[in-house]
Amino acid sequence: GAGVSQSPRYKVAKRGQDVALRCDPISGHVSLFWYQQALGQGPEFLTYFQNEAQLDKSGLPSDRFFAERPEGSVSTLKIQRTQQEDSAVYLCASSLGTPWQYFGPGTRLTVL
Amino acid sequence: SQQGEEDPQALSIQEGENATMNCSYKTSINNLQWYRQNSGRGLVHLILIRSNEREKHSGRLRVTLDTSKKSSSLLITASRAADTASYFCATTSAGGTSYGKLTFGQGTILTVHP
Repeated sequence: GAGVSQSPRYKVAKRGQDVALRCDPISGHVSLFWYQQALGQGPEFLTYFQNEAQLDKSGLPSDRFFAERPEGSVSTLKIQRTQQEDSAVYLCASSLGTPWQYFGPGTRLTVL
Repeated sequence: SQQGEEDPQALSIQEGENATMNCSYKTSINNLQWYRQNSGRGLVHLILIRSNEREKHSGRLRVTLDTSKKSSSLLITASRAADTASYFCATTSAGGTSYGKLTFGQGTILTVHP
Protein backbone atom coordinates (compact mmCIF):
# COMPACT_ATOMS: atom_id res chain seq x y z
CA GLY A 1 0.00 0.00 0.00
CA ALA A 2 0.93 3.63 0.37
CA GLY A 3 3.91 4.80 2.36
CA VAL A 4 3.95 6.94 5.47
CA SER A 5 1.98 10.13 5.01
CA GLN A 6 2.09 13.31 7.05
CA SER A 7 -0.09 16.38 7.17
CA PRO A 8 0.08 19.24 6.81
CA ARG A 9 3.21 19.34 4.69
CA TYR A 10 3.81 22.97 5.68
CA LYS A 11 2.63 24.86 8.71
CA VAL A 12 3.22 28.47 9.63
CA ALA A 13 2.35 29.44 13.17
CA LYS A 14 2.62 32.63 15.15
CA ARG A 15 4.63 32.35 18.31
CA GLY A 16 2.42 31.16 21.11
CA GLN A 17 -0.01 29.21 18.93
CA ASP A 18 -0.64 25.50 19.36
CA VAL A 19 -0.07 23.16 16.42
CA ALA A 20 -0.97 19.54 15.69
CA LEU A 21 0.95 17.42 13.22
CA ARG A 22 -0.48 14.18 11.91
CA CYS A 23 1.21 10.96 10.85
CA ASP A 24 -0.39 8.02 9.04
CA PRO A 25 2.05 5.10 9.21
CA ILE A 26 2.15 2.17 6.84
CA SER A 27 -0.81 -0.05 7.62
CA GLY A 28 0.04 -2.73 10.15
CA HIS A 29 3.29 -1.19 11.29
CA VAL A 30 3.59 -1.60 15.02
CA SER A 31 6.45 0.82 15.62
CA LEU A 32 6.12 4.54 15.10
CA PHE A 33 8.80 7.16 15.65
CA TRP A 34 8.86 10.96 15.58
CA TYR A 35 12.02 12.90 14.76
CA GLN A 36 12.84 16.59 14.60
CA GLN A 37 15.21 17.85 11.91
CA ALA A 38 16.63 21.34 12.20
CA LEU A 39 17.94 23.06 9.08
CA GLY A 40 21.24 21.57 7.96
CA GLN A 41 21.22 18.88 10.64
CA GLY A 42 20.38 15.21 10.87
CA PRO A 43 17.07 14.12 12.39
CA GLU A 44 16.90 13.82 16.17
CA PHE A 45 14.70 11.32 17.97
CA LEU A 46 11.67 12.66 19.81
CA THR A 47 9.45 9.75 20.82
CA TYR A 48 8.53 6.14 20.10
CA PHE A 49 5.26 4.18 20.10
CA GLN A 50 4.71 0.46 20.04
CA ASN A 51 1.09 0.17 18.99
CA GLU A 52 -0.72 2.64 21.26
CA ALA A 53 1.88 2.57 24.02
CA GLN A 54 4.37 5.42 24.19
CA LEU A 55 7.45 3.56 25.35
CA ASP A 56 10.05 6.28 24.97
CA LYS A 57 9.56 10.03 25.09
CA SER A 58 13.07 10.88 26.18
CA GLY A 59 13.70 13.08 23.13
CA LEU A 60 10.79 15.47 23.62
CA PRO A 61 12.51 18.83 24.25
CA SER A 62 10.00 20.23 26.71
CA ASP A 63 6.61 19.62 28.28
CA ARG A 64 5.12 21.73 25.48
CA PHE A 65 5.55 18.70 23.22
CA PHE A 66 3.00 15.92 23.44
CA ALA A 67 2.40 12.89 21.22
CA GLU A 68 -0.33 10.31 21.10
CA ARG A 69 -1.38 7.24 19.12
CA PRO A 70 -4.66 6.29 20.75
CA GLU A 71 -5.69 3.42 18.47
CA GLY A 72 -2.25 2.20 17.52
CA SER A 73 -2.32 3.58 14.00
CA VAL A 74 -2.49 7.35 13.33
CA SER A 75 -0.32 9.50 15.56
CA THR A 76 -0.46 13.19 16.39
CA LEU A 77 2.39 15.35 17.63
CA LYS A 78 1.16 18.44 19.40
CA ILE A 79 3.24 21.46 20.26
CA GLN A 80 1.76 23.98 22.65
CA ARG A 81 2.71 27.65 22.83
CA THR A 82 5.09 27.37 19.89
CA GLN A 83 8.40 29.20 20.00
CA GLN A 84 10.80 30.16 17.25
CA GLU A 85 13.22 27.40 18.19
CA ASP A 86 10.49 24.88 17.38
CA SER A 87 10.89 25.72 13.69
CA ALA A 88 12.06 22.51 12.02
CA VAL A 89 10.92 19.61 9.88
CA TYR A 90 9.07 16.99 11.88
CA LEU A 91 9.48 13.49 10.50
CA CYS A 92 7.41 10.44 11.24
CA ALA A 93 8.65 6.92 10.58
CA SER A 94 7.19 3.45 10.99
CA SER A 95 8.48 -0.09 10.91
CA LEU A 96 7.41 -3.69 11.38
CA GLY A 97 10.04 -6.21 12.38
CA THR A 98 12.90 -4.53 10.56
CA PRO A 99 15.70 -2.42 12.01
CA TRP A 100 15.23 0.16 9.26
CA GLN A 101 12.41 2.64 9.19
CA TYR A 102 10.11 4.04 6.53
CA PHE A 103 9.90 7.81 6.69
CA GLY A 104 7.14 10.18 5.73
CA PRO A 105 7.80 13.39 3.78
CA GLY A 106 7.77 15.48 6.94
CA THR A 107 5.96 18.59 8.10
CA ARG A 108 7.93 21.81 7.84
CA LEU A 109 6.95 24.03 10.77
CA THR A 110 7.84 27.69 10.71
CA VAL A 111 7.16 29.74 13.82
CA LEU A 112 7.09 33.49 13.27
CA SER B 1 22.26 15.41 20.51
CA GLN B 2 23.83 13.99 17.38
CA GLN B 3 25.57 10.64 17.69
CA GLY B 4 28.55 11.51 15.60
CA GLU B 5 29.99 13.29 12.69
CA GLU B 6 30.13 12.80 8.98
CA ASP B 7 32.73 14.03 6.59
CA PRO B 8 32.99 15.65 4.29
CA GLN B 9 30.10 18.00 5.03
CA ALA B 10 29.77 18.60 1.30
CA LEU B 11 31.11 16.75 -1.72
CA SER B 12 30.94 17.82 -5.36
CA ILE B 13 31.88 15.41 -8.14
CA GLN B 14 31.31 14.72 -11.82
CA GLU B 15 28.98 12.04 -13.11
CA GLY B 16 30.78 8.72 -13.38
CA GLU B 17 33.16 9.41 -10.51
CA ASN B 18 33.04 7.58 -7.20
CA ALA B 19 31.85 9.29 -4.02
CA THR B 20 33.07 8.33 -0.56
CA MET B 21 31.62 9.69 2.66
CA ASN B 22 32.56 8.80 6.21
CA CYS B 23 30.72 8.58 9.48
CA SER B 24 31.91 8.33 13.06
CA TYR B 25 29.83 7.43 16.08
CA LYS B 26 30.33 7.38 19.83
CA THR B 27 28.63 4.41 21.48
CA SER B 28 28.44 0.65 20.95
CA ILE B 29 25.97 -0.20 18.23
CA ASN B 30 23.75 -3.02 17.01
CA ASN B 31 23.83 -1.84 13.44
CA LEU B 32 24.61 1.14 11.27
CA GLN B 33 22.41 2.30 8.42
CA TRP B 34 22.73 4.80 5.63
CA TYR B 35 19.84 6.93 4.45
CA ARG B 36 19.45 9.33 1.55
CA GLN B 37 17.38 12.49 1.71
CA ASN B 38 16.31 14.71 -1.12
CA SER B 39 13.46 17.11 -1.52
CA GLY B 40 11.57 14.79 -3.80
CA ARG B 41 11.47 11.58 -1.79
CA GLY B 42 12.32 12.42 1.80
CA LEU B 43 14.48 10.04 3.83
CA VAL B 44 15.00 6.65 2.20
CA HIS B 45 16.83 3.68 3.66
CA LEU B 46 19.77 2.55 1.52
CA ILE B 47 21.72 -0.15 3.30
CA LEU B 48 22.29 -1.67 6.74
CA ILE B 49 25.43 -3.23 8.16
CA ARG B 50 25.38 -5.15 11.43
CA SER B 51 27.98 -4.70 14.14
CA ASN B 52 29.52 -8.11 13.39
CA GLU B 53 29.95 -7.34 9.69
CA ARG B 54 32.84 -5.50 8.11
CA GLU B 55 31.64 -4.87 4.57
CA LYS B 56 28.35 -4.94 2.67
CA HIS B 57 27.44 -4.36 -0.95
CA SER B 58 24.19 -3.40 -2.61
CA GLY B 59 24.24 -2.45 -6.28
CA ARG B 60 26.53 0.57 -6.62
CA LEU B 61 26.79 0.97 -2.85
CA ARG B 62 29.55 -0.39 -0.65
CA VAL B 63 29.56 0.11 3.09
CA THR B 64 32.38 -0.68 5.50
CA LEU B 65 32.29 -0.74 9.26
CA ASP B 66 35.20 -0.56 11.69
CA THR B 67 33.84 -0.99 15.20
CA SER B 68 37.29 -0.57 16.76
CA LYS B 69 37.43 2.95 15.33
CA LYS B 70 33.69 3.51 15.60
CA SER B 71 33.53 4.54 11.98
CA SER B 72 31.87 3.64 8.71
CA SER B 73 32.20 4.66 5.11
CA LEU B 74 29.77 4.68 2.20
CA LEU B 75 31.10 4.39 -1.32
CA ILE B 76 28.87 5.14 -4.29
CA THR B 77 30.45 3.97 -7.53
CA ALA B 78 29.82 5.39 -10.99
CA SER B 79 27.77 8.26 -9.61
CA ARG B 80 24.79 9.71 -11.45
CA ALA B 81 23.15 13.10 -11.31
CA ALA B 82 20.20 11.40 -9.63
CA ASP B 83 22.49 10.52 -6.67
CA THR B 84 22.52 14.22 -5.72
CA ALA B 85 21.15 14.28 -2.18
CA SER B 86 22.09 14.43 1.48
CA TYR B 87 23.39 11.19 2.94
CA PHE B 88 23.08 10.32 6.62
CA CYS B 89 24.43 7.50 8.69
CA ALA B 90 22.25 6.34 11.55
CA THR B 91 22.95 3.91 14.36
CA THR B 92 20.93 1.86 16.78
CA SER B 93 22.56 1.45 20.17
CA ALA B 94 23.56 -1.87 21.63
CA GLY B 95 22.01 -3.06 24.86
CA GLY B 96 19.37 -1.38 26.92
CA THR B 97 15.94 -0.65 25.54
CA SER B 98 16.58 1.59 22.57
CA TYR B 99 13.54 0.21 20.72
CA GLY B 100 15.47 0.60 17.51
CA LYS B 101 15.45 4.38 17.61
CA LEU B 102 17.94 5.88 15.20
CA THR B 103 20.71 8.30 16.09
CA PHE B 104 21.73 10.24 13.00
CA GLY B 105 24.92 11.93 11.95
CA GLN B 106 24.90 15.45 10.56
CA GLY B 107 25.00 14.31 6.96
CA THR B 108 27.02 14.80 3.80
CA ILE B 109 25.61 16.86 0.95
CA LEU B 110 26.55 15.18 -2.33
CA THR B 111 26.27 17.04 -5.62
CA VAL B 112 26.85 15.11 -8.84
CA HIS B 113 27.32 17.29 -11.90
CA PRO B 114 26.15 15.92 -15.28
